Amino acid sequence: DAKTTQPPSMDCAEGRAANLPCNHSTISGNEYVYWYRQIHSQGPQYIIHGLKNNETNEMASLIITEDRKSSTLILPHATLRDTAVYFCIGNLYNFNKFYFGSGTKLNVKP
Amino acid sequence: NAGVMQNPRHLVRRRGQEARLRCSPMKGHSHVYWYRQLPEEGLKFMVYLQKENIIDESGMPKERFSAEFPKEGPSILRIQQVVRGDSAAYFCASSPRGDGDTQYFGPGTRLTVL
Repeated sequence: DAKTTQPPSMDCAEGRAANLPCNHSTISGNEYVYWYRQIHSQGPQYIIHGLKNNETNEMASLIITEDRKSSTLILPHATLRDTAVYFCIGNLYNFNKFYFGSGTKLNVKP
Repeated sequence: NAGVMQNPRHLVRRRGQEARLRCSPMKGHSHVYWYRQLPEEGLKFMVYLQKENIIDESGMPKERFSAEFPKEGPSILRIQQVVRGDSAAYFCASSPRGDGDTQYFGPGTRLTVL
């Protein structure tokens, strides 16, 4: 599993884009990058994942650098309900246990 | 399509009792994973099961903990002779395939050992 590094916390103003960075310099060529979030003490919620191309869905966009050593999760218009801990996970294609680090605590402020 | 179901949502046990946590995966999912989250810590992988098989139990404590996923019915995480250190949130996830497929998590069971 690639080890990931994320800032411990970030603030974002409501309505603005939240850009959450993740470094995964040891990621291998067939290892996906997954993003989850945990709101309060609820179960982790899947957000998005990608291999090397940028991805977008109804929740967020994922930008992966060309060398795949880092990525950024973008919430285009953050709301108060997006306040959560966000986890960036490197996952081998044939490896089934996700490693949840400490994540980034995103505080969306009015 | 109902999500991953876990019950009970809250469980209180006294030291020495047994705890049984149940997980029903999403419809069509045959792969189940259990994670534990101790207070103020991140989620830690415990075990990965397919129907009737334990695939990876590298995160399971060596004693008192067991898991099963029978042909019919939910997956069960069983903790015998609970101790206060077992107090935690236990999350179950499921996926349609293994091989690093996206895992979808349930709401968790919060175990409190008195």
